[in-house]
Amino acid sequence: GENVEQHPSTLSVQEGDSAVIKCTYSDSASNYFPWYKQELGKGPQLIIDIRSNVGEKKDQRIAVTLNKTAKHFSLHITETQPEDSAVYFCAASMDQGGKLIFGQGTELSVKP
Amino acid sequence: EAGVVQSPRYKIIEKKQPVAFWCNPISGHNTLYWYRQNLGQGPELLIRYENEEAVDDSQLPKDRFSAERLKGVDSTLKIQPAELGDSAVYLCASSSPDRVLYNEQFFGPGTRLTVL
Repeated sequence: GENVEQHPSTLSVQEGDSAVIKCTYSDSASNYFPWYKQELGKGPQLIIDIRSNVGEKKDQRIAVTLNKTAKHFSLHITETQPEDSAVYFCAASMDQGGKLIFGQGTELSVKP
Repeated sequence: EAGVVQSPRYKIIEKKQPVAFWCNPISGHNTLYWYRQNLGQGPELLIRYENEEAVDDSQLPKDRFSAERLKGVDSTLKIQPAELGDSAVYLCASSSPDRVLYNEQFFGPGTRLTVL
């Protein structure tokens, strides 16, 4: 079955710096790749996603890139702010409406 | 629009006791998911419903877990009897029929279960 690996497990940056989180997936049939932000005591919140027919997508300070050949995708956060501190999860899915396979999560800490 | 609602938010029980979690999805969302999230890990799917039909329950431990979505809206997940290893956050998510093609899932706040 599908397997998603996420790195790093923890990431600490200074406010204003950029943060990059990387994920690799195993099944080339995967075609949908969302990113979720999870704050303490809350459920995961969808922040951006990308589909297999697109190589890059940007939404304000957040961008995601996808390399289907290498089977990896990345989350880029620019101009980080303390409120960006949270756990970020990547995920992959291959079925319409099907289950998401999540990575292990990255705990991002943005220091003021 | 209102998000996914779950209750209770927290539950502490003794092992071997039963427990139930309730989920109300976003209005109009006919696909409902139950995930389990162990500490420090990503969520893992337990069961997926399309309306009232369970279409993927391959990861649901059927000896002690059960779920229902009788009218295709609210859903209940039950554990009986609970074991120490069931301690986790149980998340409910839903997705719209208009977006199921794109698999955008929206999560509730979860129920944190502690089994003593």
